[in-house]
Amino acid sequence: QVQLQESGPGLVKPSETLSLTCAVSRSSISSAYYWGWIRQPPGKGLEWIGSVSHSGSTYYNPSLKSRVTISLDTSKNQFSLKLSSVTAADTAVYYCARHLEWEPADIWGQGTMVTVSS
Amino acid sequence: DIQMTQSPSSLSASVGDRVTITCRASQGISNYLAWFQQKPGKAPKSLIFLASSLQSGVPSRFSGSGSGTDFTLTISSLQPEDFATYYCQQYNIYPLTFGGGTKVEIK
Repeated sequence: QVQLQESGPGLVKPSETLSLTCAVSRSSISSAYYWGWIRQPPGKGLEWIGSVSHSGSTYYNPSLKSRVTISLDTSKNQFSLKLSSVTAADTAVYYCARHLEWEPADIWGQGTMVTVSS
Repeated sequence: DIQMTQSPSSLSASVGDRVTITCRASQGISNYLAWFQQKPGKAPKSLIFLASSLQSGVPSRFSGSGSGTDFTLTISSLQPEDFATYYCQQYNIYPLTFGGGTKVEIK
């Protein structure tokens, strides 16, 4: 069973950079999949942040593009999210997920809550 | 960006009821439409892809239809474990976008 597990700080100060990692087990991130991040503010809906392909091509939500970097770490079979200059509006549960090109996410991590506060 | 509009935003129903949720895209997305179910504190679970194809293991009481801009998710006979929030998502064009969600509550 393929598993994804998010990790990273649960509290980030305003103006700093949010950094999360998604460890992938029982699936190689170099295989023909895309690896994405989705977030959900408390009590609200889902927002796609971006995805990185198995070859390293990236696709970002234009609303976040100037602040987002998603990258692969093939040596550790994981991928990461960096979101800079965070504000309280970035407080959310952050999910990592796997999808094929032109298919929806089929495997999701359990999610990790990140709060932006001083 | 393609806007996805779901309706209703919430509904109350009883076990055994037939439930229909609609999703409208702001422009045509062919059939690149997925439905997800999310329970409190849990990650979304994929139910349907390509508008009408059931994911493996999803009960047959769930069905999807539509193409272009208008889509529906139907639960033929609501079960206790189906009380959750449902989201549609288009994956035809980046950025991928979700509907606002429909919360299905117990009547």
